[in-house]
Amino acid sequence: DVKVTQSSRYLVKRTGEKVFLECVQDMDHENMFWYRQDPGLGLRLIYFSYDVKMKEKGDIPEGYSVSREKKERFSLILESASTNQTSMYLCASRLGPGGPSYEQYFGPGTRLTVT
Amino acid sequence: SQQGEEDPQALSIQEGENATMNCSYKTSINNLQWYRQNSGRGLVHLILIRSNEREKHSGRLRVTLDTSKKSSSLLITASRAADTASYFCATDGLNYNQGGKLIFGQGTELSVKP
Repeated sequence: DVKVTQSSRYLVKRTGEKVFLECVQDMDHENMFWYRQDPGLGLRLIYFSYDVKMKEKGDIPEGYSVSREKKERFSLILESASTNQTSMYLCASRLGPGGPSYEQYFGPGTRLTVT
Repeated sequence: SQQGEEDPQALSIQEGENATMNCSYKTSINNLQWYRQNSGRGLVHLILIRSNEREKHSGRLRVTLDTSKKSSSLLITASRAADTASYFCATDGLNYNQGGKLIFGQGTELSVKP
């Protein structure tokens, strides 16, 4: 079974702090994604990475950056956390394009509160 | 903006009844996927239908796709209390270079009462 893990289920940070959210997948997937989920807005893509050291902006990249130094790990960084970044953050991974499976595998999510 | 629009936003039914959720999208797709999310958890893939397919079944799930209307529906038959969750459609575009980027709808919240 594919497993996607996220470093924390719940996180509380103060405004202005630098925040790291870690995601690890164990199936050698090429593609990895970070979403945020807010009531009434569904899932919105922040950043994605289609290979090591490659990254692409999603729909709402402002205020975030990412890092993918190893294939299994994709980190989301909030450079200076703000209250409007309070949200549920979901990481996902997928085999690369052309692979046998198009589905994304999700981690359990990190509920981040910025006070 | 969101590609998928789901309807209804919330649905409440009795156990044993069928639940139908609809999804509309705007641009051409490679495939459309449905996911389920239990409260406060990650999403789980349910079923995928390709753009050249019209209907697909998996257990109690039936998915239809009408590319001319840019719409899909998910039918859950003989629902159970354990089916209570949020259901999302997600479209996979035609752009090979987008690395499997999905665009999600806002979801339908299904409540199945025992």
